[in-house]
Amino acid sequence: ETGVTQTPRHLVMGMTNKKSLKCEQHLGHNAMYWYKQSAKKPLELMFVYSLEERVENNSVPSRFSPECPNSSHLFLHLHTLQPEDSALYLCASSQDILRPSNEKLFFGSGTQLSVL
Amino acid sequence: DAKTTQPPSMDCAEGRAANLPCNHSTISGNEYVYWYRQIHSQGPQYIIHGLKNNETNEMASLIITEDRKSSTLILPHATLRDTAVYYCIGRGPGRRALTFGSGTRLQVQP
Repeated sequence: ETGVTQTPRHLVMGMTNKKSLKCEQHLGHNAMYWYKQSAKKPLELMFVYSLEERVENNSVPSRFSPECPNSSHLFLHLHTLQPEDSALYLCASSQDILRPSNEKLFFGSGTQLSVL
Repeated sequence: DAKTTQPPSMDCAEGRAANLPCNHSTISGNEYVYWYRQIHSQGPQYIIHGLKNNETNEMASLIITEDRKSSTLILPHATLRDTAVYYCIGRGPGRRALTFGSGTRLQVQP
C-alpha cells in the first residue's frame, strides 16, 4: 500500500466513449503526476501538477484532459481515444517538485486501459 | 538531467548479492542518482537515492564512484520477489519530474 489509490484497475472503452481515470493520495503531498506506460516501452511523463496548478504538459494530445481539483485528487478525462492509446496509466505523487534532494515518487497500481 | 545507461538484463541466483550497474558519465555536480524498481504490471517503487556518498537503507545499498560517473545498486541477498525492472535516473533541478529510461530487467533464479 503506497498511499496512492487509482480507480478503476481495468478499463475497456470504445473509441467514441468518454471515461475518466481517478487518482487519490493520502500522503499530504503537493505534487501529482500522470505517466503512461505502453507495452514494452519506458514510462512516459504526461502531466505534472503542483498545488493544483499544471506545471508540465509533455505534448500530450488533447483527447487526454487532466484535472486536479485539490492536492489530493487527480483525474484524467479520456475522449475519442485511439487503439494505440491502450496502455497502463500510472498516477504518482511527491512531497513537492522543487527539491531534487527529496523527490521520492509514490505510485499507484495503475489503470490498464484497452481501447477497442 | 543526465543520460543514464544500464544493461538491458541481468540474472542473479537467489540468496546472492545482485549488483546492478549504471553509467551516468554526463552527470552534473548537483544531480542526484535515483533508483526505482517496477514489478510486472505495478507502479514503480522507490528504492534509494544519493548525491556523492554511499547510501544504505533497508532495501539496498548505493555505491557512487568518486568521480560520480557511475553507480551500483546492491541488493545484498536477492530473493525471487526482487525480480523486476530496475531504473537508474539522474535528477537535477532543471526538470520538474523524473524521466524513466528502459532500465535493467533483473531475473532472480531459484
